[in-house]
Amino acid sequence: KQEVTQIPAALSVPEGENLVLNCSFTDSAIYNLQWFRQDPGKGLTSLLLIQSSQREQTSGRLNASLDKSSGRSTLYIAASQPGDSATYLCAVNADKIIFGKGTRLHILP
Amino acid sequence: GAVVSQHPSWVICKSGTSVKIECRSLDFQATTMFWYRQFPKQSLMLMATSNEGSKATYEQGVEKDKFLINHASLTLSTLTVTSAHPEDSSFYICSAGGGTGQNIQYFGAGTRLSVL
Repeated sequence: KQEVTQIPAALSVPEGENLVLNCSFTDSAIYNLQWFRQDPGKGLTSLLLIQSSQREQTSGRLNASLDKSSGRSTLYIAASQPGDSATYLCAVNADKIIFGKGTRLHILP
Repeated sequence: GAVVSQHPSWVICKSGTSVKIECRSLDFQATTMFWYRQFPKQSLMLMATSNEGSKATYEQGVEKDKFLINHASLTLSTLTVTSAHPEDSSFYICSAGGGTGQNIQYFGAGTRLSVL
């Protein structure tokens, strides 16, 4: 049974810092892995999707990596801004999508 | 890109009533749709998988008679919460796949259900 773990559960950093969010999964037989952002009381915003054959994806200040063999993915956020404050969810897709519990990120102005 | 529309975005109902939530793939045919539930400050939990024209597959612990799923066409799936109670209050999100053949799921914006 696939399990997805996100560490840390919560993170507060000063504005401008670079940061890394971690995601691990137990079964490496996946189609892809996706990072989402969720603001309080809102739906999901897709940030980056990495297919199983890929190693990383980049979009603006965001970079996501995937090491399928070790069951790990990271989301790197460069030059953090207060607007980045949200919950970040990692989701692993293998026939069905399993979500991690998320990392609640707070960027301090 | 692929768009999934979910309606309504917010619904308030009295205990004992039934509520229907629609999930539509607007520009692609979705052979498979998924329904998720998210309680406050929790992550999304998969409730069921529906394939067009066949019965939904429910995850363990999800009551199929309470959460009726219909996927009668390639662009529409519905989730009906029957005889809703306050404990059913949650955020429900659907996703649809099959548009690009790359095993990508596209998510709706979610429906917030509040049962009084």
